[in-house]
Amino acid sequence: DAKTTQPNSMESNEEEPVHLPCNHSTISGTDYIHWYRQLPSQGPEYVIHGLTSNVNNRMASLAIAEDRKSSTLILHRATLRDAAVYYCIRLSGGSNYKLTFGKGTLLTVNP
Amino acid sequence: DTGVSQNPRHKITKRGQNVTFRCDPISEHNRLYWYRQTLGQGPEFLTYFQNEAQLEKSRLLSDRFSAERPKGSFSTLEIQRTEQGDSAMYLCASSLLGNTEAFFGQGTRLTVV
Repeated sequence: DAKTTQPNSMESNEEEPVHLPCNHSTISGTDYIHWYRQLPSQGPEYVIHGLTSNVNNRMASLAIAEDRKSSTLILHRATLRDAAVYYCIRLSGGSNYKLTFGKGTLLTVNP
Repeated sequence: DTGVSQNPRHKITKRGQNVTFRCDPISEHNRLYWYRQTLGQGPEFLTYFQNEAQLEKSRLLSDRFSAERPKGSFSTLEIQRTEQGDSAMYLCASSLLGNTEAFFGQGTRLTVV
């Protein structure tokens, strides 16, 4: 049970922003939200994580709702190399870092 | 350091044969994880090590599966008496204790015929 809900697929155009949503309505106060992505024929790759505040890094931004029941991964300018399956994962604080993946969102980027 | 390395990348075996996969984690990463991924699904946790100790095993890991991490460095995953249902991508990941990022290898794709 991944305990997060994501759309099965989304589509974007190159150089446009992409907002990938994730619902985690049963999240507890100590659960972090992690995002990984998996490019074709590759292992998953860490993207970003957060707890309460919005987070930015070189790859993406993570916007977390005030009630923490949902979050959005933002790719500011999609490129063809961003085409991948994106996984939103809840991770208990202080856990053994065992990741529980759902099916994720397949992002298609159109040229 | 070139990241997490897995060998072989592909393995085709006949049903009933034994297979062994190897994972070389990033140097000094004390945590090592094995996952299995079938087509169209996200990876599923199998087991993890902290240094040489195997601390957790999923119920997905039947007694035909065994994993080791001697000396807390590389790890091996062995499947005995393979079945067609074992066909999958086997992924290895490593991380530092207390770190928030896991690094995955490219996986070993197993096909049981």
